[in-house]
Amino acid sequence: DTEVTQTPKHLVMGMTNKKSLKCEQHMGHRAMYWYKQKAKKPPELMFVYSYEKLSINESVPSRFSPECPNSSLLNLHLHALQPEDSALYLCASSQDSSGIGTQYFGPGTRLLVL
Amino acid sequence: ELKVEQNPLFLSMQEGKNYTIYCNYSTTSDRLYWYRQDPGKSLESLFVLLSNGAVKQEGRLMASLDTKARLSTLHITAAVHDLSATYFCAALTSGTYKYIFGTGTRLKVLA
Repeated sequence: DTEVTQTPKHLVMGMTNKKSLKCEQHMGHRAMYWYKQKAKKPPELMFVYSYEKLSINESVPSRFSPECPNSSLLNLHLHALQPEDSALYLCASSQDSSGIGTQYFGPGTRLLVL
Repeated sequence: ELKVEQNPLFLSMQEGKNYTIYCNYSTTSDRLYWYRQDPGKSLESLFVLLSNGAVKQEGRLMASLDTKARLSTLHITAAVHDLSATYFCAALTSGTYKYIFGTGTRLKVLA
């Protein structure tokens, strides 16, 4: 099973809302990633978790809060977002964070902030 | 600062023709990756290139890496319509863990 699942597929939220994005993999991978992709732009790495510990935070605003409750699950908590945060949020996983292995991407959550 | 540039940005080609997409990166990179993205979809990993001179092939796509020239290429052989997509390269520098995607090349193969 090489599947990474993400929920929800679509999310519309107001600037005062709190919501969470969920990502799950059952491949035994020890590295998980969050990316943000604006329309017609390349993905941008946001966070990297390695062995359930946050190892990379690419200067992401604190209104995005990642969480890795266990090795299979990755959450992204959203609070007080801005309209410019509207984007496709992609989760990925790989064997580890060394960069040697393939990253497997989930289908993404399309977020609209009103 | 790691920068990754791809060219061309757009490519329209006839079925059966060959073409190459170029990916240049600005600083020493440990790894180079190629991805495919269909419109409205997620990314699919195509190739991971780990060392100078690495060459990988899958079907009509072949990727290579020249770390001295800081250049990777994605060569398309005898293009078919199903290859129409956006192709991204990405480079990783492990020292400071910078993972940067190129601008993307939107490929359209005309029947």
